[in-house]
Amino acid sequence: DIQMTQSPSSLSASVGDRVTITCRASQVIRNYLAWYQQKPGKVPKFLMYAANTLQSGVPSRFSGSGSGTDFTLTISSLQPEDVATYYCQKYDTAPFTFGPGTKVEIK
Amino acid sequence: EVKMVESGGGLVQPGGSLRLSCAASGFTFSNYAMSWVRQAPGKGLEWVSSISTSGSSTDYADSVKHHFTISRDNSKNTLYLEMNSLRAEDTAIYYCAKAKGGVTILGNRYFDSWGQGTLVTVSS
Repeated sequence: DIQMTQSPSSLSASVGDRVTITCRASQVIRNYLAWYQQKPGKVPKFLMYAANTLQSGVPSRFSGSGSGTDFTLTISSLQPEDVATYYCQKYDTAPFTFGPGTKVEIK
Repeated sequence: EVKMVESGGGLVQPGGSLRLSCAASGFTFSNYAMSWVRQAPGKGLEWVSSISTSGSSTDYADSVKHHFTISRDNSKNTLYLEMNSLRAEDTAIYYCAKAKGGVTILGNRYFDSWGQGTLVTVSS
């Protein structure tokens, strides 16, 4: 099965900083990648699919890129409400594996 | 408003069984693939199983294959997860998740709405 990794596992940044999270697949998955945000104690929230297509209602400071095996989620200007753990998920074929998550905190 | 409400979780002994239910509302249930995703305490998300709109096609994570069964009743707008031979490592919050859907089958594989989850604890 294809394995998903994320880096870093956690990060601390200041409000207004540009934040980048990397997700890597162990094999090519084209652009079949989704991103989710899970705030502490909350249910996961769907952010985007097809590596870079933002779900309706998601702030435009979130963006995604990548194809093949390497993908990034970028927050252009970190806000306090962005404190959360972010997960990537592959969906080329089953199993639809999630990455281990990246925890984002405010410095 | 899309809403999913899970039920059926609880404390069960190793080797026991549970049946989770997810009651859906606010959308045409029969038009969307559905899935279960779990999260062990303090851990990340783990995809468990998915089912097609009609129920004719299912997928499972290797970790639950042969001891979990996903099903749905479109007349009742309800998703199920039958869990047998439960093990301590099955302890988790189990979320019901709705596929985003769309014109291709790919839209069945990522999830735009989630329930609040139901906690399953496997312990003696």
